[in-house]
Amino acid sequence: QKEVEQDPGPLSVPEGAIVSLNCTYSNSAFQYFMWYRQYSRKGPELLMYTYSSGNKEDGRFTAQVDKSSKYISLFIRDSQPSDSATYLCAMSLHNTDKLIFGTGTRLQVFP
Amino acid sequence: EAQVTQNPRYLITVTGKKLTVTCSQNMNHEYMSWYRQDPGLGLRQIYYSMNVEVTDKGDVPEGYKVSRKEKRNFPLILESPSPNQTSLYFCASTRDVRGILSGYTFGSGTRLTVV
Repeated sequence: QKEVEQDPGPLSVPEGAIVSLNCTYSNSAFQYFMWYRQYSRKGPELLMYTYSSGNKEDGRFTAQVDKSSKYISLFIRDSQPSDSATYLCAMSLHNTDKLIFGTGTRLQVFP
Repeated sequence: EAQVTQNPRYLITVTGKKLTVTCSQNMNHEYMSWYRQDPGLGLRQIYYSMNVEVTDKGDVPEGYKVSRKEKRNFPLILESPSPNQTSLYFCASTRDVRGILSGYTFGSGTRLTVV
């Protein structure tokens, strides 16, 4: 079983839709949770991070962590074609520098 | 502009021919790392460096070497490339060791094909 599981998609939605991207994980010791966005032919870039449980909002993006279910989510409101990219979740333990990435979910937002 | 620069962007080589992928960052970051990205496997860490002359193995170090003689540079060396090293490679750097506060800054990637 992989430490971090992520549905590869692709997820295809119309412009303006609410998008939900998810990851599940097996190690309950993970404390830091991140979402990276990767455009085609580019390296990943950090979108958001959260520490431990709870929600965090940044514009149209909301990151949610449910530690009891070992489940994290990224919601995108009013999705735009420019949101079309691969979204990778990543997480790390409290006392280590190792960052574990999910395999990524490809999102396509069509006009 | 703050960035991580990798070269080359694309490389096709033959089995056994030594090659080096260069990586340079201009942000004075102490932590640098190499990843490979493969379909269905995601990003896997090859090697990382906490500082000059300090390097350590990641999850998939076999067949790779690195060096960190200067803070800004972190080259990836394949002494004898094999077809199973065909992949998309990313160099990354970060200010804080877990990349939590500032995130990892990734290069644009090197697409390597070994035939």
